[in-house]
Amino acid sequence: EVQLVESGGGLVQPGGSLRLSCAASGFTFSNHWMSWVRQAPGKGLEWVANIKEDGSVKYYVDSVKGRFTISRDNAMNSVYLQVNSLRAEDTAVYYCARNGGQIDYWGQGTLVTVSS
Amino acid sequence: DIQMTQSPSSLSASVGDRVTITCRASQGIRNDLVWYQQKPGKAPKRLIYAASSLQSGVPSRFSGSGSGTEFTLTISSLQPEDFATYYCLQHNSYPRTFGQGTKLETK
Repeated sequence: EVQLVESGGGLVQPGGSLRLSCAASGFTFSNHWMSWVRQAPGKGLEWVANIKEDGSVKYYVDSVKGRFTISRDNAMNSVYLQVNSLRAEDTAVYYCARNGGQIDYWGQGTLVTVSS
Repeated sequence: DIQMTQSPSSLSASVGDRVTITCRASQGIRNDLVWYQQKPGKAPKRLIYAASSLQSGVPSRFSGSGSGTEFTLTISSLQPEDFATYYCLQHNSYPRTFGQGTKLETK
């Protein structure tokens, strides 16, 4: 059974940083692109970033470029999202998801709240 | 960026109704489209991929069609568990973009 478990969210002040983690199991992690998608409270889904199987290629939505960094550790079956210079508009549930395009499985999400 | 325009944004319907949701892409995306269902407080669940392929385990009352710029998700006979919010996602180019969602409510 595919499982994706996010962690690392929390309350952070504007300008602060967090490192979100996603632990994957139930599939061959190193064979899949991985993605992060976020959802602001009461709003729709927004794709944030994805990363190729070997970590060599990464893509980001413009609004996070230069502030967020996606990475992965295939030995640990984990994908990460380093989020820096946080703004109020980054407040959202952050979902880890399998695949870079046809996203099929999602974690349950971790909430990031940016507030002073 | 490819804009995905989803309509309607909300829809009131009854159990047994046939419901259709549309996503229009601002440029052609072949069949690089996925449909998701999301219930409150839960992660999205994939229903349809490649515009018209039914995800394993998803009831056959769900179907998808379209190619290029216009896509539809149809629920042939609404069941109580189908009241949720539905999103389309294009994965033809970057950035990936979602439709704004369709909230399906009970009439």
